[in-house]
Amino acid sequence: EPEVTQTPSHQVTQMGQEVILRCVPISNHLYFYWYRQILGQKVEFLVSFYNNEISEKSEIFDDQFSVERPDGSNFTLKIRSTKLEDSAMYFCASSSRQGGNTIYFGEGSWLTVV
Amino acid sequence: KNEVEQSPQNLTAQEGEFITINCSYSVGISALHWLQQHPGGGIVSLFMLSSGKKKHGRLIATINIQEKHSSLHITASHPRDSAVYICAVLHYNTGNQFYFGTGTSLTVIP
Repeated sequence: EPEVTQTPSHQVTQMGQEVILRCVPISNHLYFYWYRQILGQKVEFLVSFYNNEISEKSEIFDDQFSVERPDGSNFTLKIRSTKLEDSAMYFCASSSRQGGNTIYFGEGSWLTVV
Repeated sequence: KNEVEQSPQNLTAQEGEFITINCSYSVGISALHWLQQHPGGGIVSLFMLSSGKKKHGRLIATINIQEKHSSLHITASHPRDSAVYICAVLHYNTGNQFYFGTGTSLTVIP
């Protein structure tokens, strides 16, 4: 069974620090996503990425966030200057086609900002 | 505003019971997904629907596009089915942006 892998599984960081969350999507997938879930709340869309550029982003995805696919396998989410409210589970996902196809999620990265 | 509403929010069932989880949405969609979130947080895609009905093992998902409603059924429920079930819709105006329901927390008691 193919899988999306994420690292780290849990990270604690000081407010104001930069954080990079890493994801390895499924190898033949073309669409990549980041979602977040604040504890006790619903999952929220952050950004989608296709053909080496952002295809859509939500209003949550402001200037402190950025995504990159630095090589052929990794897909990263960078939070430039973390705030307390960035504490959440961040999920990476990938699919072979745009939205109307099975989407595969990683196990998530817990980010705790203190 | 909630584009996606799920009911019930919490559900406790005895092992073997037939379970139904409902999802209503208010936007035009191109697809609807049912997801399962394990207690540890990981999310697994169960179904992707754009019409009709799909079955996988003990799980059945249906969608009525006209009524903007979908149901997830679990037959012969088992304690290992205990998880949060999330409905997520793909708005037809946004190619990749999902709107998620708040989830239904299911506990199946042996």
